[in-house]
Amino acid sequence: DIQMTQSPSSLSASIGDRVTITCRASQSISSFLSWYQQRPGEAPKLLIYSASTLQSGIPSRFSGSGSGTDFSLTISSLYPEDFATYFCQQSHSSPRTFGQGTKLEIK
Amino acid sequence: QVQLQESGPGLVKPSETLSLTCTVSGASVTNGGYYWSWIRQPPGKGLEYIGYIYFTGSTNYNPSLKSRVTISLDASKNQFSLKLNSVTAADTAMYFCARDPRISGAPSTWGQGTLVTVSA
Repeated sequence: DIQMTQSPSSLSASIGDRVTITCRASQSISSFLSWYQQRPGEAPKLLIYSASTLQSGIPSRFSGSGSGTDFSLTISSLYPEDFATYFCQQSHSSPRTFGQGTKLEIK
Repeated sequence: QVQLQESGPGLVKPSETLSLTCTVSGASVTNGGYYWSWIRQPPGKGLEYIGYIYFTGSTNYNPSLKSRVTISLDASKNQFSLKLNSVTAADTAMYFCARDPRISGAPSTWGQGTLVTVSA
């Protein structure tokens, strides 16, 4: 299985801050990488697919980059509703696998 | 708009079979542009892909669960289903169904999830 490792595991930030979360794959996955946001008690929400394509309806403050093994999700200016847990997921190989998650908390 | 809704027992006894159904509205499970997936999340933990099915009946299962999992599709009811047999406490989780565009492999529409607890 392809292992997906996110860093950091948790992150404290303030409203208006710019934050970046990284995701590393144990082998090359080209651009088959997606990012999800999950708030407590809710299903995950797709933010970014194909490493850098913004899902319809997602604010432009979210962006993704990377290819191969190293990827990042950036939120350019934090809003209150952005404090949540973020997951990356690879769809290059079966089984599809997720990172362990990054919990973004208010400082 | 497209909606998915999981249904099934919230409590299953150890060694028995977990059975869940996902009812799809606003889209057809016979649409060739999508896979129909099951994903689970143990309480307080990360996400695990269980597997997915295509409208042709072709399936793809996580090898860690493959010996215990069956995913099927009922086009007449616009539903797809999950069966997981010989469950243990480790199978206690929130179970999500999702619609997964073939082009991206990224589930873009999710059900709200249903919590299944394995306990005697």
